[in-house]
Amino acid sequence: AQKITQTQPGMFVQEKEAVTLDCTYDTSDPSYGLFWYKQPSSGEMIFLIYQGSYDQQNATEGRYSLNFQKARKSANLVISASQLGDSAMYFCAMREGSATGNQFYFGTGTSLTVIP
Amino acid sequence: DSGVTQTPKHLITATGQRVTLRCSPRSGDLSVYWYQQSLDQGLQFLIQYYNGEERAKGNILERFSAQQFPDLHSELNLSSLELGDSALYFCASSVVSSPHYTQYFGPGTRLTVL
Repeated sequence: AQKITQTQPGMFVQEKEAVTLDCTYDTSDPSYGLFWYKQPSSGEMIFLIYQGSYDQQNATEGRYSLNFQKARKSANLVISASQLGDSAMYFCAMREGSATGNQFYFGTGTSLTVIP
Repeated sequence: DSGVTQTPKHLITATGQRVTLRCSPRSGDLSVYWYQQSLDQGLQFLIQYYNGEERAKGNILERFSAQQFPDLHSELNLSSLELGDSALYFCASSVVSSPHYTQYFGPGTRLTVL
């Protein structure tokens, strides 16, 4: 089974609107972390947000929030008030393991296009 | 700028050759991770080092090896290169003591094998 599944290859959103990018994960490790990264066309990977498996509240970082539904094993990224600069590939990722020895898995990504 | 540096930025070589990619982590970060991003395989975790010791292995081929030096910089060695090794190779670093284990990525080295 895929460890990380992103089912939306491409998404479009109107500028200033909110958008949700889907991510589901598969793990039997009780301790894990979920990440979202942004990769603009320039190629660099930019960390956006992190959610730990034991965190009680959904993570938020500015316009980014992570809708963490543990029972459903989903970790959707919500971007509020979309901006043209948000157009990029977005990758969901998961860390399994301890602090010093981790395994990391990435989804296939969602290409987001913000329309003016 | 993430604070992670990678050299070279681009590398073009021939099949059968050997190359070395270099990564300098952010100041204070003890963990270094290597990833490969290719069109057909996507982003794959290769290997993690922590304070000079190998800590976790992902989908790293036997032709590939890595090490982390006492000054914490890391090198990824790719040998007997094949066309399929053409990819963007990222290095990332993290502060293990951070509860978030957030990784900061370098700009990547684009390897082209001809």
